[in-house]
Amino acid sequence: NAGVTQTPKFQVLKTGQSMTLQCAQDMNHEYMSWYRQDPGMGLRLIHYSVGAGITDQGEVPNGYNVSRSTTEDFPLRLLSAAPSQTSVYFCASSQGGVDGANVLTFGAGSRLTVL
Amino acid sequence: GQNIDQPTEMTATEGAIVQINCTYQTSGFNGLFWYQQHAGEAPTFLSYNVLDGLEEKGRFSSFLSRSKGYSYLLLKELQMKDSASYLCAALDSNYQLIWGAGTKLIIKP
Repeated sequence: NAGVTQTPKFQVLKTGQSMTLQCAQDMNHEYMSWYRQDPGMGLRLIHYSVGAGITDQGEVPNGYNVSRSTTEDFPLRLLSAAPSQTSVYFCASSQGGVDGANVLTFGAGSRLTVL
Repeated sequence: GQNIDQPTEMTATEGAIVQINCTYQTSGFNGLFWYQQHAGEAPTFLSYNVLDGLEEKGRFSSFLSRSKGYSYLLLKELQMKDSASYLCAALDSNYQLIWGAGTKLIIKP
């Protein structure tokens, strides 16, 4: 099993450009989420999904869109990139929600730089 | 507000024992997680505690005191490969994870 696959691993954007970070999992997980990780801060939840066709906002959703048309895929779209979106982005999934029986499996991360 | 506190950095010697502390303040509580994250890599699950007490898993143990809002991760017989960041995360009443900034553990020979 590949687990959680994120692409691209690295990306440089100019302010105002748009792009999509791809996330795919092959574990038939219902729950998928996107986090950003910044120096000196904890992981912050951007958006999450509890199943195909269902998405919801996390702590820091502004400037990002998501969709969940299939169980496997959960892309994150940056609509108009800003320097404040420079970060490392992680996609994570679990069997169902988050609790002791449903721990998160993370992708390898995508490092985004916005100039 | 909700908050997780853990030390920014700790240094320990190969073969020794180290304890990484975590204090939390959350709206409700449904458990506490520890994850390990090597530099440039994804976090990986280490442990989950929801009841008071110590959970042992090989060289790693995790302790929880719900009344004190306190947890620690204990690493024994430290190896160089244990050099990593250790992330503490509490699950609040809405089953949302509140993450600490992580503790960078440096192991010296």
